This record gives sequence, C-alpha cells and structure tokens, in this order.
Amino acid sequence: DTGVSQDPRHKITKRGQNVTFRCDPISEHNRLYWYRQTLGQGPEFLTYFQNEAQLEKSRLLSDRFSAERPKGSFSTLEIQRTEQGDSAMYLCASSLRYGYTFGSGTRLTVV
Amino acid sequence: EDQVTQSPEALRLQEGESSSLNCSYTVSGLRGLFWYRQDPGKGPEFLFTLYSAGEEKEKERLKATLTKKESFLHITAPKPEDSATYLCAVQDEGGGADGLTFGKGTHLIIQP
Repeated sequence: DTGVSQDPRHKITKRGQNVTFRCDPISEHNRLYWYRQTLGQGPEFLTYFQNEAQLEKSRLLSDRFSAERPKGSFSTLEIQRTEQGDSAMYLCASSLRYGYTFGSGTRLTVV
Repeated sequence: EDQVTQSPEALRLQEGESSSLNCSYTVSGLRGLFWYRQDPGKGPEFLFTLYSAGEEKEKERLKATLTKKESFLHITAPKPEDSATYLCAVQDEGGGADGLTFGKGTHLIIQP
C-alpha cells in the first residue's frame, strides 16, 4: 500500500516566487482533492478532480493558483507570485467513492 | 453554507478517563459525516464515516455516533497514544459539491 504521496514535504520560498507541489494518489483512486490547512484550523477545500477533469474549485482558489491532473494520474498545484498569506499546509487526498485518504502534506512557508 | 462546529477546542484527560467530543453540523443534506485523527505535522488519518442518524461505529477505544444535528466521538479509557487533534467533517449531498467541510478540531491530550 503506497498511500498518498506528496512532494516536497517542506518548502520555503521568498514572496513573489512561484512554487509547485506534486501529489501521487492511490493508484486505483479516480478522485483527487487539494486542501489547505493553517495553524489551528481544519483543512479547507480548494479543488477536486475526477480522473483528469477539474470539476470544482473553491472561492479560496484565486487566479494565482492552478491545479492540473494530466492523464488522471498525479496532480500538481502551482502558486504564482506567492504571498505571506499563502503560508500553510497543502494537503492532497484521493478516494474511490467515499472515505478520503490524505497525504502527509506540503508545508509552505513564504518569507 | 455548510457549517461544522467542534467542542471543546481542547481537552486534557488523565489516562483511563473517558470522555466525549462533540461535532455540531449544518448541511442542506448530509451525504456523510467523517471523523479524522491528525497528529502534528501529518495529514488527517481516516477513522469513521457515518451516513444516517442513529448509526454507530467503533474502533478500539473510539466510538462515533450520529444524530440529525450532531455527532459524538466517545473515547473510552484513553491512553497517551490517543493524544491528537480529532477533526470532524461533513459532505453535502446537494449542489454537486464533493469537498468536505471541516471543523477546527478538538486537541486532545491524554496524560499518563
């Protein structure tokens, strides 16, 4: 069982730089989700893919954020022109029907 | 808009002291209510899914129950390794939305 894998685990970047995170879901899971979690808060939904189609995006996902899932396999989340408010844990989850499996997340610090 | 409120925000118990965590929710239609455990610096770990009022599920020292307005996570005779943040989330059956709405969690500390 490989679980949901996220890379990198930690990322420190300067304000204004672009960053990209990768998520490898459980292989047989066709649904993939991105969430953002700040300290003391629960995860907040960002976006959702079914296979390669991006079906839903939260209001939290500003124009600086873009997510892709080519060929319905791994997914990437890119943040352009990072701001200090983007500092958070970015979590990826996958599922087949119900019951999400989360990865360990990528912790982003914008300095 | 879906809402999830968890209480208490933090709870400190002695080892063996049983207690309950509360999750109150508001949804237009409940597809499922989820409980997760989260350790510091890690992603949430799935515990239970409940689908309808009256449903109960158990796993080791944990038992989750569901009513039409709230869910409880009962912890019986907890051990220090049960220390974690416990998150409750709901999935709405309406509007085509598939994301989960989470509460802020209950930070549980079990002292030996």
